[in-house]
Amino acid sequence: NAGVTQTPKFQVLKTGQSMTLQCAQDMNHEYMSWYRQDPGMGLRLIHYSVGAGITDQGEVPNGYNVSRSTTEDFPLRLLSAAPSQTSVYFCASSYLGQQNTEAFFGQGTRLTVV
Amino acid sequence: AQSVTQPDIHITVSEGASLELRCNYSYGATPYLFWYVQSPGQGLQLLLKYFSGDTLVQGIKGFEAEFKRSQSSFNLRKPSVHWSDAAEYFCAARSGGYQKVTFGTGTKLQVIP
Repeated sequence: NAGVTQTPKFQVLKTGQSMTLQCAQDMNHEYMSWYRQDPGMGLRLIHYSVGAGITDQGEVPNGYNVSRSTTEDFPLRLLSAAPSQTSVYFCASSYLGQQNTEAFFGQGTRLTVV
Repeated sequence: AQSVTQPDIHITVSEGASLELRCNYSYGATPYLFWYVQSPGQGLQLLLKYFSGDTLVQGIKGFEAEFKRSQSSFNLRKPSVHWSDAAEYFCAARSGGYQKVTFGTGTKLQVIP
């Protein structure tokens, strides 16, 4: 099993450009989420999904869009990148409805907006 | 509001010394609790988790954590630190009925010879 796979690992964008961060999992997890990690702030939830066709906002959703057309994939879109979106982004997945389960994380995407 | 607090931003220990990383939570009911480790440039790896039962939880790499309800704490410990333990450690929590996880701000561990 590959687990949670994120692409790309590194990306540099110019202000105003758009891009999509990809996230795929092969564990048939219903729940998927995106976090951003900034120094001294831990991980903050951007968006999450409890299944195909269902998404919701997390703690810091502004500037990001998501969709969930399949169970496996949960892409994160930046429509118009801003320097404040420079961060490390992590995708995570877990089972839904099972109490004793934890989140599995991808390796992260380091994004720099100049 | 639900929160997880890691009061120590940086900790430096000598190799072979014992380690304790602090974590406090604020939730309406006892949450599920986790410790993750992040090595430089890597993703998060689960060290251990607590759901119920025995309050002393054993994890990977020789780590353990103790849940103390009276103190709302879930501190991570290791009896003898190795240089390879240098990393950032995150405490996390979630409510039983939900999948959303709240993370602490992390503690960066430095290990000196």
